[in-house]
Amino acid sequence: DQQVKQNSPSLSVQEGRISILNCDYTNSMFDYFLWYKKYPAEGPTFLISISSIKDKNEDGRFTVFLNKSAKHLSLHIVPSQPGDSAVYSCAAVRRGSQGNLIFGKGTKLSVKP
Amino acid sequence: DAMVIQNPRYQVTQFGKPVTLSCSQTLNHNVMYWYQQKSSQAPKLLFHYYDKDFNNEADTPDNFQSRRPNTSFCFLDIRSPGLGDAAMYLCATSRIDRGEYNEQFFGPGTRLTVL
Repeated sequence: DQQVKQNSPSLSVQEGRISILNCDYTNSMFDYFLWYKKYPAEGPTFLISISSIKDKNEDGRFTVFLNKSAKHLSLHIVPSQPGDSAVYSCAAVRRGSQGNLIFGKGTKLSVKP
Repeated sequence: DAMVIQNPRYQVTQFGKPVTLSCSQTLNHNVMYWYQQKSSQAPKLLFHYYDKDFNNEADTPDNFQSRRPNTSFCFLDIRSPGLGDAAMYLCATSRIDRGEYNEQFFGPGTRLTVL
């Protein structure tokens, strides 16, 4: 039973445009959400996070939005660059756990020049 | 500068032959995690160490064990690998202070093949 779902296995975007990656979750006990980026043959790299008490967090070209009522979060990348091409995974942390991440399956982003 | 190091990157073992994967960190983080990721699936937490305290996930098979001899090192032991244990094994570290979450830093992973 997947508690964190990324329904789009892949996304293709033109360089300079906005990339929007989506993630849904089912467990209302999650209180912290993270996005990780993964290149082939490397481990996941932390990108950006958001606490459940916020609805937006921004870091440069990356913005994460959280809609708690819909149990939905999204990652916006503006403008997209070819170097952003990677697999993006969202992850959630359960309240009361010791930072144990529950991951989605990931979305492969391709940014075309 | 590597912060979370996993050795080896690729490991081949025979069915039923014990295997050990290693992880080391230079971050001095107090928590170390082991995740298993099978093809086309999300990483799944097996267990973690919070300082010296071992925390096993409820559905982690008994075949999987772990050791953390000091802050820097953590080992994953698979006592009798089966074909279904072939996967990428990811080690991660984090600092948790007073219950405050921080991001986890991942190693590059060890890809295990079971023949």
